Amino acid sequence: ELKVEQNPLFLSMQEGKNYTIYCNYSTTSDRLYWYRQDPGKSLESLFVLLSNGAVKQEGRLMASLDTKARLSTLHITAAVHDLSATYFCAVDKYNNNDMRFGAGTRLTVKP
Amino acid sequence: NAGVTQTPKFRVLKTGQSMTLLCAQDMNHEYMYWYRQDPGMGLRLIHYSVGEGTTAKGEVPDGYNVSRLKKQNFLLGLESAAPSQTSVYFCASSPTLASLGEQYFGPGTRLTVT
Repeated sequence: ELKVEQNPLFLSMQEGKNYTIYCNYSTTSDRLYWYRQDPGKSLESLFVLLSNGAVKQEGRLMASLDTKARLSTLHITAAVHDLSATYFCAVDKYNNNDMRFGAGTRLTVKP
Repeated sequence: NAGVTQTPKFRVLKTGQSMTLLCAQDMNHEYMYWYRQDPGMGLRLIHYSVGEGTTAKGEVPDGYNVSRLKKQNFLLGLESAAPSQTSVYFCASSPTLASLGEQYFGPGTRLTVT
């Protein structure tokens, strides 16, 4: 059974600090997605990673994928309060859009 | 474009009642999905559809049925609601596989079963 594990599940950071969220998965897949969810809101797509070694960056967020290690990371650089949200990774189980999500990392950035 | 819309936004049901949730998208997407989100568990795929007239089971399909009679609509039905189905339900859509899977989510439906 496919498992997608994120850690940490809760993260409290100071503004200006750097941190990394990890997403491990148990199947061979080369499609991994990162989403953001604000409280009470829907999910917003952040990154789509489609091959080993893929790296994508948007503002203070950078995502990478290592398919051999079955690991994706979401790195936060110089955090700001606006980044406070829950971040989910998701794996496409058979490359057929049958998605499996991690439990999410709730990020709080404090002034 | 409205994107992905869901009806209703909130609903309270008694155990054993039935209801249908409607998802509509105006992006001409082939793929549509229904998820449920429970606290601390992320999203779990209930059913999905790869095109008009087709449906497939996801991770947690029991107790739910779906239909995709029109390309733009995906219906999720609960025939006999149970308290365990209390959750937030999200619909999503995506273009073909060629688009490589990025999904667009609706605003969610909060369902409480008493």
